[in-house]
Amino acid sequence: DAKTTQPTSMDCAEGRAANLPCNHSTISGNEYVYWYRQIHSQGPQYIIHGLKNNETNEMASLIITEDRKSSTLILPHATLRDTAVYYCIVSQRGSNYKLTFGKGTLLTVNP
Amino acid sequence: GAGVSQSPSNKVTEKGKDVELRCDPISGHTALYWYRQSLGQGLEFLIYFQGNSAPDKSGLPSDRFSAERTGGSVSTLTIQRTQQEDSAVYLCASSSQGGGGYGYTFGSGTRLTVV
Repeated sequence: DAKTTQPTSMDCAEGRAANLPCNHSTISGNEYVYWYRQIHSQGPQYIIHGLKNNETNEMASLIITEDRKSSTLILPHATLRDTAVYYCIVSQRGSNYKLTFGKGTLLTVNP
Repeated sequence: GAGVSQSPSNKVTEKGKDVELRCDPISGHTALYWYRQSLGQGLEFLIYFQGNSAPDKSGLPSDRFSAERTGGSVSTLTIQRTQQEDSAVYLCASSSQGGGGYGYTFGSGTRLTVV
């Protein structure tokens, strides 16, 4: 699986958009980009995934660059409850592949 | 059940003792994963079960670690002769399809402390 690079930490003001970047310059054509988050003392939670098109769901939006070498997770209106470690992962789909979690980005939403 | 259930939520054991950690996946989920997370670290893959296929044990750190999944449902992770470096949160996840990225649902984990 391709390696990802994320900032160690970020801050965001409550109510503002949080934009979390992820670099995955070695991503291959059949690898998806997945985002999970982990709130303190809980297990990780799936947020969103995409292949090459931008995706949106009730939690977030995922913007993938045209060359697919980087992506951005957008939380449109961050709340204090969005304070968590956010993991960007690239992986192929299929029975031989498992998700490899890095250290992620600690997002702190400030009042 | 509605989610992935893990028990116990906390376990303190003496060095050298064996421990068993239990995971009840979401009903109908064919894939089950074990990860562990040491303090301040990312998640480390341990083992993966998919249906009746042979499990992927490539992440188990030593032969003191083993896991089984009975009847394609409940899984038990066993650590024999525990060491202090085994102290971590052990997380279980399940998904409706096997393999990377099919929306894992994680449990809340078992916090293991070896003293």
